[in-house]
Amino acid sequence: KNQVEQSPQSLIILEGKNCTLQCNYTVSPFSNLRWYKQDTGRGPVSLTIMTFSENTKSNGRYTATLDADTKQSSLHITASQLSDSASYICVVSVNSGGYQKVTFGTGTKLQVIP
Amino acid sequence: DGGITQSPKYLFRKEGQNVTLSCEQNLNHDAMYWYRQDPGQGLRLIYYSQIVNDFQKGDIAEGYSVSREKKESFPLTVTSAQKNPTAFYLCASSPRWPPGVPQHFGDGTRLSIL
Repeated sequence: KNQVEQSPQSLIILEGKNCTLQCNYTVSPFSNLRWYKQDTGRGPVSLTIMTFSENTKSNGRYTATLDADTKQSSLHITASQLSDSASYICVVSVNSGGYQKVTFGTGTKLQVIP
Repeated sequence: DGGITQSPKYLFRKEGQNVTLSCEQNLNHDAMYWYRQDPGQGLRLIYYSQIVNDFQKGDIAEGYSVSREKKESFPLTVTSAQKNPTAFYLCASSPRWPPGVPQHFGDGTRLSIL
């Protein structure tokens, strides 16, 4: 069982609509959580990073939230655009002997249609 | 602009053949990483290097080898011992701190078996 679970696995929305992607994790001790956007055939690009003390972080139309108590994060996309079509990956870092071990979620594939 | 260049974009391997994937960065980052991405799975760490002439095995290092002779370069060799090499390979880099967390990714090399 993956220690970083994302839902839904895939999502189709109409252009201009909002959507929310979920990430639940079980790894600990928690250090930080990142959301990445990965276009098809490209490498992931960082959208947001949140530490334990932060519960919300915005990057343009992208807003990430974090509840470290329930070990849940969400990524909210406002007024979606066709260019938002991509996979969105949640990545959790834990402290491991002075090094940070990173666990990647399997991603949510978002398709925005006209 | 600084970034990570991976080449080639597509690569085909014959039975019993070793192939080498190139990764070059001009971000002046100390750390570099190789990940493997398979459909329906999160990225998995193959090897990482925190400084020149030093590298460590990741979670799935069997059948792979690396070298780090220069700060800018971190080539990955997929050997004939890797029985299931078909995947999307991503190279990443990061500053020395925090250790272990990739920040910038290349655009990947897709490796297939002939």
